Amino acid sequence: IAGITQAPTSQILAAGRRMTLRCTQDMRHNAMYWYRQDLGLGLRLIHYSNTAGTTGKGEVPDGYSVSRANTDDFPLTLASAVPSQTSVYFCASSDSAGGLNEQFFGPGTRLTVL
Amino acid sequence: GQNIDQPTEMTATEGAIVQINCTYQTSGFNGLFWYQQHAGEAPTFLSYNVLDGLEEKGRFSSFLSRSKGYSYLLLKELQMKDSASYLCAVMDSNYQLIWGAGTKLIIKP
Repeated sequence: IAGITQAPTSQILAAGRRMTLRCTQDMRHNAMYWYRQDLGLGLRLIHYSNTAGTTGKGEVPDGYSVSRANTDDFPLTLASAVPSQTSVYFCASSDSAGGLNEQFFGPGTRLTVL
Repeated sequence: GQNIDQPTEMTATEGAIVQINCTYQTSGFNGLFWYQQHAGEAPTFLSYNVLDGLEEKGRFSSFLSRSKGYSYLLLKELQMKDSASYLCAVMDSNYQLIWGAGTKLIIKP
């Protein structure tokens, strides 16, 4: 059982380029999340999805888009990357039907935009 | 606005006890989580409190006072492997997690 996988592990990207970060979970969790983590700041929610077919905006959604075509996959797209999007990106999932709502995290993608 | 405060960094000695505090101001409260994050790795779940009081899980305990907007994580019998960042997060009225910036814990022999 892999849990949550993310790809790529790291990426250096030229400003203006389009990039999709992939996230797949095999726990059949209904809820999925994308966070960015920057030094000195807490994890900040970019977008989330409570169930397949629905998505919502988090705290810092500008410049990012997501889709949730099925339960397992939740890709994050940067349409035109900018240097301020340099960060570590974590995908997470939770079984929000349960009481605890514990979030499980993928290993992260380290993105550098030059 | 919503705010989670925790110390930036703490240092403790192997074998000792350390308490990491977290204060919060959020729109609604649906539980408080503590996560551990080793450098370069993903956060992993440690504990969850939704009612006032102490939750004990092995060497780790977590306390919550909802009236004071306060929690702490207590780590006993510290080991070198406990060197990590500890993240406090509160689930708000929209069932979204609001995260503190984390406390980096340095363990010295």
